[in-house]
Amino acid sequence: GAVVSQHPSWVICKSGTSVKIECRSLDFQATTMFWYRQFPKQSLMLMATSNEGSKATYEQGVEKDKFLINHASLTLSTLTVTSAHPEDSSFYICSARVGANYGYTFGSGTRLTVV
Amino acid sequence: QKEVEQNSGPLSVPEGAIASLNCTYSDRGSQSFFWYRQYSGKSPELIMFIYSNGDKEDGRFTAQLNKASQYVSLLIRDSQPSDSATYLCAPLTSGSRLTFGEGTQLTVNP
Repeated sequence: GAVVSQHPSWVICKSGTSVKIECRSLDFQATTMFWYRQFPKQSLMLMATSNEGSKATYEQGVEKDKFLINHASLTLSTLTVTSAHPEDSSFYICSARVGANYGYTFGSGTRLTVV
Repeated sequence: QKEVEQNSGPLSVPEGAIASLNCTYSDRGSQSFFWYRQYSGKSPELIMFIYSNGDKEDGRFTAQLNKASQYVSLLIRDSQPSDSATYLCAPLTSGSRLTFGEGTQLTVNP
């Protein structure tokens, strides 16, 4: 089946530093990837839609200068959390649509803790 | 009004029983509806999706869709303790984006 590989699975960083999260589609090409954030006991909130070769589309309230998205190839999208602060600590998950009959598949998620 | 509303739970059923999970959505333009299962600390796993009115069965799972009522449900037959998780309803909205409900936490008691 279609697999989206996400790394790292967890990361702890100091306040003010930047963290990069990678998502790769392993056996299919993902023209579009979606980035979600999930706080404890809450649902997934869409942050942005990443399109290969073009600028990402951010949801209302998401700072595009803080959450940098790059989708340089059909198999790789990255999310960089810049100048991270403790309130950015969350579970970040990427997703890609595999096809009309397969739905959307998710990466394994990245647990970010900013100290 | 929230875009997607699910029965708040938590829902507790005995092993072997039928678990019923409900979801309503506000976007009448939604055409496809996805059910995901999420274990604590993990990312969501697709259970099934439905896009036609009526029922769709896959093993122990049955999804039901009523577009006129803007209602979708998931039935789990012969519930097992391993089914204990949070179940997320996600209509496909404009821009081919999934919009998630807050989820229903299900506990299946042995």
